[in-house]
This record gives sequence, structure tokens and C-alpha cells, in this order.
Amino acid sequence: AQSVTQLDSQVPVFEEAPVELRCNYSSSVSVYLFWYVQYPNQGLQLLLKYLSGSTLVKGITGFEAEFNKSQTSFHLRKPSVHISDTAEYFCAVSEGSGGYNKLIFGAGTRLAVHP
Amino acid sequence: EAGVAQSPRYKIIEKRQSVAFWCNPISGHATLYWYQQILGQGPKLLIQFQNNGVVDDSQLPKDRFSAERLKGVDSTLKIQPAKLEDSAVYLCASSPPLQGNTEAFFGQGTRLTVV
Repeated sequence: AQSVTQLDSQVPVFEEAPVELRCNYSSSVSVYLFWYVQYPNQGLQLLLKYLSGSTLVKGITGFEAEFNKSQTSFHLRKPSVHISDTAEYFCAVSEGSGGYNKLIFGAGTRLAVHP
Repeated sequence: EAGVAQSPRYKIIEKRQSVAFWCNPISGHATLYWYQQILGQGPKLLIQFQNNGVVDDSQLPKDRFSAERLKGVDSTLKIQPAKLEDSAVYLCASSPPLQGNTEAFFGQGTRLTVV
């Protein structure tokens, strides 16, 4: 079974500074990877996804992630964060059989942006 | 396009009581998921439906949890009797009728507190 490890439970950062949220997954023949964001008292919203093709994936609100097969990583980055980026971020991998996929989530990283 | 609707948003019950949650997925989405998100953890899949059939319920505590998706549209998740450790946010998600790597669209969740 697939598993996802988010290496940092909390990441504090100042506004306009760059940030990287780290994610590693267990290896598989083929893998589909996702980053979701969860604002307080809200459901999960898709930030970006890697299915195939270019290893650099751009998402909403200026985030991007790079798929690294050799290191089994899918780290999320943003060059300059805003106060409004304060939220919980979840990395997920798609696992399935018989054509029915499900998402396996990491434990989450809480990003706190300070003025 | 309307999103995934869940109700109620919040519920407080005493242990050993029963509770039910309702989910209305995005119109036309064949796959429906129920996830449990305990505070400080990532979402964990409880049950996955494809239309009105169960695809995966391997992590559903079947002695107390049950779920149904009659007519392949709305779904209800029930807990009877509830335990303190069932306190969590219950997230419903749906995916369009495509096999493979499609993303899941999440509702806002129901926050359950068992006292």
C-alpha cells in the first residue's frame, strides 16, 4: 500500500519569504500526486496535481511542486508567501486497483505566515 | 456548478448516542468517498462508493459505522453507538465518472464532538 510522509508538521515563515513544504511517498510503478489546502473550518481544495509529463507542476495561488522520481518526493514551493496562505497543506498519492482510485493523505503541514 | 454539500456542519453528542451525516455529491459524479479527519492528522478513507456499490470499506469500523448510497446519489454515514475517539471531522468527497487519476472534490465537512 502507498504511504505519504510530510516531513514538517509546522512551518513558520515571514510574509514575502519563500517556503518549501516537503512530501515523500512510497515508491510505485506509476504514481499520481496531489497537494490540497485546507483553510480553517473548510474542506480540502486542490492546489495542484502531477499525473504525467513535465515534472514541474504549477497550481493555483502561485504554488508549484516538483516531482522527483529518484528521490520519491513531491515538494511544494512558493517564492513569496502572503498572510492569506496560512492554512494546512496535505500531500496525497492516488492508489487504486480495478480502476477505482482513492487518495492516501499525509499528516499535513501547518503553514503559518507572520507579518 | 454546485459543490459537494454536507450537513450538519457541526454536531455534539454524548457517547453511546447515535448520529447520522448526509452528503450530496456533485451532480454526475459516480464515485463518493467518506473520510475521517482526526485533529492533527490527515484524512483517512472510511468508505468508497462507485454509484451505489461499495468499492472499498476496509477501514470502516463496521461494528459501529455504516454507510449507504441509495440510488447512487446522496449518501448517509451513521455511527451507532458513538465513542469519544469518534470525535473528528467527517469529509465527503466525489469524483467524476472517469477511472484512474481524477481528483476528488471535497465538501466542507461535519465536525463531530463526542462528550
